[in-house]
Amino acid sequence: AQKITQTQPGMFVQEKEAVTLDCTYDTSDPSYGLFWYKQPSSGEMIFLIYQGSYDQQNATEGRYSLNFQKARKSANLVISASQLGDSAMYFCAMREGRANFNKFYFGSGTKLNVKP
Amino acid sequence: NAGVTQTPKFQVLKTGQSMTLQCAQDMNHNSMYWYRQDPGMGLRLIYYSASEGTTDKGEVPNGYNVSRLNKREFSLRLESAAPSQTSVYFCASRLGQPNEKLFFGSGTQLSVL
Repeated sequence: AQKITQTQPGMFVQEKEAVTLDCTYDTSDPSYGLFWYKQPSSGEMIFLIYQGSYDQQNATEGRYSLNFQKARKSANLVISASQLGDSAMYFCAMREGRANFNKFYFGSGTKLNVKP
Repeated sequence: NAGVTQTPKFQVLKTGQSMTLQCAQDMNHNSMYWYRQDPGMGLRLIYYSASEGTTDKGEVPNGYNVSRLNKREFSLRLESAAPSQTSVYFCASRLGQPNEKLFFGSGTQLSVL
C-alpha cells in the first residue's frame, strides 16, 4: 500500500488566491511526522512545513499552513495568497518509526502552476 | 557550510557499466539517505543509514549497494547499470530528532544508455 498519496498530479491557481494541495498517509505507527517540500524547476528540495502526530494545533509557516486531520489521515498543504514564485512541484512526506531509525516516504507530488 | 554535497552532478553510463555516487555532509548528522526521483513517482527511498555503521533497505533497493564509509560519507553504487536506473538521485541527511526535516543535496542526473 502507498504510504503517501497525492491525488492531484497538477493544479492551477490564480495569483493571490489560496490553494489546497491534498495529501493522505497510511501508517500504524502512533509516532510520525508529516512534511511538505517544494521543488522548483531548478531541482532543489526546499522544506516548507512540519506537523508531528502528537501536535494539537495545525502547523503554520508564513503563507503555508498544514490542515492536519488525524482521524482521516490527511495532511493538506494550504498556500494563501499565491505568488508566481509558488509555481513548482510540491511533495508530501512522512517520517515513520522510532528514534533514529526513521524512514521518510514521499508522495508522487503535485505540480502547481500559478497564473498571473 | 556546504551542507550535503553530491558528486557528480551529471553522469552518462552505458548499460552494464558500474559507478559510485558520492555523498558527504558536514553537519554532523547521524542519518543519511539515498532517493531516486522519477517523473510521476515522486521520491523513492533506495537505502538509508540510521547511524554510522548501519545501513538498511528502502523501497527500491534492487540493483544498488551502499556504504556508510564514516559519519560524513554515504555512497551509492550501481554494479551493473540498467536503463531502468536512469533517474535523478538525491542524497539527504538529518541529525535524527523526531521533528527534524531532511536536508537534501542538489541531486545527480544519471542517464543509462
